[in-house]
Amino acid sequence: RKEVEQDPGPFNVPEGATVAFNCTYSNSASQSFFWYRQDCRKEPKLLMSVYSSGNEDGRFTAQLNRASQYISLLIRDSKLSDSATYLCVVFDSNYQLIWGAGTKLIIKP
Amino acid sequence: DAMVIQNPRYQVTQFGKPVTLSCSQTLNHNVMYWYQQKSSQAPKLLFHYYDKDFNNEADTPDNFQSRRPNTSFCFLDIRSPGLGDAAMYLCATSGVQYNEQFFGPGTRLTVL
Repeated sequence: RKEVEQDPGPFNVPEGATVAFNCTYSNSASQSFFWYRQDCRKEPKLLMSVYSSGNEDGRFTAQLNRASQYISLLIRDSKLSDSATYLCVVFDSNYQLIWGAGTKLIIKP
Repeated sequence: DAMVIQNPRYQVTQFGKPVTLSCSQTLNHNVMYWYQQKSSQAPKLLFHYYDKDFNNEADTPDNFQSRRPNTSFCFLDIRSPGLGDAAMYLCATSGVQYNEQFFGPGTRLTVL
């Protein structure tokens, strides 16, 4: 089992819809969690950190489920500009940063 | 604006010819990271510096070396590039280890 797993997609979603995807991690003692967004041939950009209590930033909501060992990202009222690859990153108890391979999201008009 | 800068943005080198990629930051962050990213793959951490302390990932080939002469600058040296080293090389910084990272635009390396 990979340490951090994401569904590669692509998720094809109509504009205005709500979309959610998960990222599972194998190390139950993992400490910090992040979502990054990466556009084609560009650098990753931090979207949001994921806190134990969950956090929201506009149309984006991140949740952490420690019992089931996954983090989630929910995007409401999706825009064409949300099309990108979404990468999760986990900082585990072995002091390692583990990146998921990303989930590709395509928003269609 | 505080930022992470990488030069050059595109680098073409010949098989076996050493190349140096550069990264600078105005964020005054303690930690600087070098990643290799190939198409449709996750970024692969090569090494990072926490201040002057160098941390090499176990599977980073010896062909890759790094220098951090001061807080602002960090260099990636590829001593003998092979065809398999063609990739995007990303530099990132964070204020503390393993926290939110800020990336430069990357250097796309082509090996002929």
